[in-house]
Amino acid sequence: AQTVTQSQPEMSVQEAETVTLSCTYDTSESDYYLFWYKQPPSRQMILVIRQEAYKQQNATENRFSVNFQKAAKSFSLKISDSQLGDAAMYFCALSSGYALNFGKGTSLLVTP
Amino acid sequence: GAVVSQHPSRVICKSGTSVKIECRSLDFQATTMFWYRQFPKQSLMLMATSNEGSKATYEQGVEKDKFLINHASLTLSTLTVTSAHPEDSSFYICSARSGYSNQPQHFGDGTRLSIL
Repeated sequence: AQTVTQSQPEMSVQEAETVTLSCTYDTSESDYYLFWYKQPPSRQMILVIRQEAYKQQNATENRFSVNFQKAAKSFSLKISDSQLGDAAMYFCALSSGYALNFGKGTSLLVTP
Repeated sequence: GAVVSQHPSRVICKSGTSVKIECRSLDFQATTMFWYRQFPKQSLMLMATSNEGSKATYEQGVEKDKFLINHASLTLSTLTVTSAHPEDSSFYICSARSGYSNQPQHFGDGTRLSIL
């Protein structure tokens, strides 16, 4: 069985600051993929960033980057220069080729 | 690219009626489509996986006779909630994936279903 754990139900960050959202996972698969999705109040699911487990290099997408620690089964998301539009639910997800297993989500509040 | 259209976005209907939700991949061929259900302030729960031209695979606890899924083409999957009751009220969201399993899923905008 695969599990994804997000231990921070809520996080808050000031505009222009940096915030890190935590995610740990468990899987017996050797080949898998990790994702961060953003769900704003509109409830649309938006792919933020993805990481292939076989790649050692951490993925980056503009202001978003991950810290992938394979041995520790940790996959945290760092948001730099936070913007008001970053306020949303963030879901960490794991896939080994089938469906996505989602964590419970972290609600990110961005304050001016 | 990778746009998924889900329709309708909002449905309100009486108990006992059937409701069909469509999920279309607009600019790619979706070999696999997924249907999720999301309760307020909770995560997405996978209901079923469908591959074009074959029967859907349902997750444990999901009634296949209640939630009928059809994936008739590489761009269209439908979810029909049959004889809907108030407890079926929820947010339903589909996703689609092309080609290999390492490709990300692209999500529709979801359907808010309210059964009176």
